Amino acid sequence: AQSVTQLGSHVSVSEGALVLLRCNYSSSVPPYLFWYVQYPNQGLQLLLKYTTGATLVKGINGFEAEFKKSETSFHLTKPSAHMSDAAEYFCAVSDQPGGGADGLTFGKGTHLIIQP
Amino acid sequence: ETGVTQSPTHLIKTRGQQVTLRCSSQSGHNTVSWYQQALGQGPQFIFQYYREEENGRGNFPPRFSGLQFPNYSSELNVNALELDDSALYLCASSLARAGEQYFGPGTRLTVT
Repeated sequence: AQSVTQLGSHVSVSEGALVLLRCNYSSSVPPYLFWYVQYPNQGLQLLLKYTTGATLVKGINGFEAEFKKSETSFHLTKPSAHMSDAAEYFCAVSDQPGGGADGLTFGKGTHLIIQP
Repeated sequence: ETGVTQSPTHLIKTRGQQVTLRCSSQSGHNTVSWYQQALGQGPQFIFQYYREEENGRGNFPPRFSGLQFPNYSSELNVNALELDDSALYLCASSLARAGEQYFGPGTRLTVT
């Protein structure tokens, strides 16, 4: 069975500051890892994903994440927060590149608040 | 290219009733997955349909059922609604069973 833990249900940063959202996973097989963003009253949008190869993954809107197998982590970062980054962020894990028969397993989410 | 669409946007049902939610997949996508997102929680996988057959299922009771049609659109049916079924229901389509999932905006179901 796979699982995801997102540390911090709410994270507050100032505009222009570093964003760091934490994600740890558990998987018995090599994982595929994802970060999704959800704006109010909307569905999920894929920010980035790790499949194989380079452990530093760059995504949309200036976000990136680093896969660290030894730490079973896949933390999301952005060097400089923008007001438009305020949203709910979900980390997810799968045993297949996009989900498959067992679907994606999501964490509980982190609400990112940007202070002006 | 049209993205994933879901209908209705919102609906309110009474405990014990039945509900049908609909999803139109993105053009060319033959796989649809359904997720339930309770308030303050991450989405939970309900099931996946591939070429009109159920391809996998999460930990949901049989009163959650689905259909996929020849045009790859899909329905989620929930019988004997319970208060805990109140949630945002998300549909995601993909090019293949293990392909990247593209999510629709969701249907918010309230059970009273």
